[in-house]
Amino acid sequence: DGGITQSPKYLFRKEGQNVTLSCEQNLNHDAMYWYRQDPGQGLRLIYYSQIVNDFQKGDIAEGYSVSREKKESFPLTVTSAQKNPTAFYLCASGGTTNEKLFFGSGTQLSVL
Amino acid sequence: GENVEQHPSTLSVQEGDSAVIKCTYSDSASNYFPWYKQELGKGPQLIIDIRSNVGEKKDQRIAVTLNKTAKHFSLHITETQPEDSAVYFCAASKNSGYSTLTFGKGTMLLVSP
Repeated sequence: DGGITQSPKYLFRKEGQNVTLSCEQNLNHDAMYWYRQDPGQGLRLIYYSQIVNDFQKGDIAEGYSVSREKKESFPLTVTSAQKNPTAFYLCASGGTTNEKLFFGSGTQLSVL
Repeated sequence: GENVEQHPSTLSVQEGDSAVIKCTYSDSASNYFPWYKQELGKGPQLIIDIRSNVGEKKDQRIAVTLNKTAKHFSLHITETQPEDSAVYFCAASKNSGYSTLTFGKGTMLLVSP
C-alpha cells in the first residue's frame, strides 16, 4: 500500500530529553511537511522540505530540528529547547506546489 | 503573511440537514483553497479543493464556493450523515514554489441521528 507512515503513535519525553519522530512515505512525493496540532489551534507549520538535503523553517520552528537525507524520510527532532512540546504532530507529503497533501496518522507527544 | 479565519468552531446538525462552514483569508494573492476532514485520532484527509479561477465545485454531497472579491470561501455539506461527524479545516495558499498552506483553526461538526 502506498502511504505515509508516522511512528511511534504515542511518545513520552522526559525533561531535558531530545526525542525524534519518524515519518516515511512511499508516494514518491518531493515535498514533506511537519505540522503541530494543539486543541483549538488548527495546524501550524514547523518545517518543510521540497527536495532532498534542503528544508525551510515554518511558522513555529524554534525548538525543533529536521533532516532530509532521503526522499522517503523526514524525521523531526523535538529538542529540550522546546518548552511546551505536548501536542499532536502530523507529517504530510505532496507535490512541490503543496496541493493535495497526504497526512500520516500522527504522533501524540506528551511530557512526563 | 496569510491569515485564515474559520467559523463556526463547532456546528451541530440533525441527520439529513445541511451544514455550512465559512472561511475568510487575508492575502489576495492566494489562489488555492483546500478543505480537509479529520476524524478522531487520525490525520486530515483532503475532501475537496478549489482554485481561484473557479467559483464553485461539487463532489456528490459536498461543494465549495469561492468569492474572490470578498476573500471568503465556504464548504457546503448536504444530506448530512453521522459519518460526516469530524473536524473540518479550510486552508489557503499561493500554490507556487515554496508557498505553504495556512490552515484555519477548524470546525467540529456533529451530526446527530
